[in-house]
Amino acid sequence: NAGVTQTPKFQVLKTGQSMTLQCAQDMNHEYMSWYRQDPGMGLRLIHYSVGAGITDQGEVPNGYNVSRSTTEDFPLRLLSAAPSQTSVYFCASSYRSGSFYEQYFGPGTRLTVT
Amino acid sequence: EDKVVQSPLSLVVHEGDTVTLNCSYEVTNFRSLLWYKQEKKAPTFLFMLTSSGIEKKSGRLSSILDKKELFSILNITATQTGDSAIYLCAVFIQGAQKLVFGQGTRLTINP
Repeated sequence: NAGVTQTPKFQVLKTGQSMTLQCAQDMNHEYMSWYRQDPGMGLRLIHYSVGAGITDQGEVPNGYNVSRSTTEDFPLRLLSAAPSQTSVYFCASSYRSGSFYEQYFGPGTRLTVT
Repeated sequence: EDKVVQSPLSLVVHEGDTVTLNCSYEVTNFRSLLWYKQEKKAPTFLFMLTSSGIEKKSGRLSSILDKKELFSILNITATQTGDSAIYLCAVFIQGAQKLVFGQGTRLTINP
């Protein structure tokens, strides 16, 4: 079991560029989510998915798109990168949605937008 | 707006000390409170609390929830340098199916 994997580990973008952060899990988890972590602000939920074909917005969804065509993959797309999107991004998954299921986090992607 | 607030934001102590980290919350539909430890990379799960007054323990770490006063504490006794990390508190919102995190407490243990 690789758990939750994220690629790339680091990325530098110029303002206005687009890119996709990849997230995959091999645990057959239904629930997947994306967070961003900024200094002094903890983790903030961007988007989440309770199963293939179903996605919903979190606290800070603007500027990001997601899709969930398979159980395993949950990519996060930045449509037109802005310096405010400089952050560390974590993907997480759990067996099902609901508080009783532990969330497993990926190793993170550090994104810098210049 | 759902809010989770941790204090202190930063704490520096000596090895062997006991520390108490605080987490208070104001949320619409509380389901559970979770504590995570984050060292260099991804957060790792420590505890989940759903009922008031029941202490959860794991070695030198323990945690308790007070649903009336809307807070939780995380205690670490006989601290070691390996306990240095950011400790995150999060509340699971029923219905919205999401975790709301606090800002985190950066704990530094000096030898």
